[in-house]
Amino acid sequence: QSALTQPASVSGSPGQSITISCTGTSSDVGRYNLVSWYQQDPGKAPKLMIYEVSKRPSGVSNRFSGSKSGNTASLTISGLQAEDEADYYCCSNAGSNFVVFGGGTKVTVL
Amino acid sequence: EVQLVQSGAEVKKPGESLKISCKGSGYSFTSYWIGWVRQMPEKGLEWMGIIYPGDSDTRYSPSFQGQVTISADKSISTAYLQWSSLKASDTAMYYCAFGPKLSYFDYWGQGTLVTVSS
Repeated sequence: QSALTQPASVSGSPGQSITISCTGTSSDVGRYNLVSWYQQDPGKAPKLMIYEVSKRPSGVSNRFSGSKSGNTASLTISGLQAEDEADYYCCSNAGSNFVVFGGGTKVTVL
Repeated sequence: EVQLVQSGAEVKKPGESLKISCKGSGYSFTSYWIGWVRQMPEKGLEWMGIIYPGDSDTRYSPSFQGQVTISADKSISTAYLQWSSLKASDTAMYYCAFGPKLSYFDYWGQGTLVTVSS
């Protein structure tokens, strides 16, 4: 099972908006509204930021939003802040029995 | 407080067996899926598999099926990941995590570093 495709890096200035794409196939991202996004700081465990395409867990800033169109999901960070600098991973069901992650995107705040 | 506490770092030789653990507290252990995620050095996250401790329903990624075994002991709220014969390529950080559905993880453990070297 191939990993979902994410850009290796995305950067932006403080206050700007950035979007991270996550491209899969009609067997994973395109088939299920079960895309989630995780933020990982260096040396730390990942943190859930978005689940089921666009839902935000309690405590996650509303600057983070998710969407999906066809086989591509997206995570948008608006009002970019220095603390948003981290690695971000998308994730999708790839069948009824398992899940696949994207390769990860490093977000840099310029 | 909801917590997942993983067992400590391990250093093993190729061919040895290993079982690492993940103890849950502060939530209903049998009502949530608990899974394992691998992160090789300087690499991304890989979903390995998941178990529902309530009925031991277990699912594996095709990439990890037959390579590892996931189990759980609900009497002590602990999930396990085990190998029967380690390889150098198993060197990685392993995270346990749980969530209400198979598709995402709400809470994560601190990670267990496994180093396999001769």
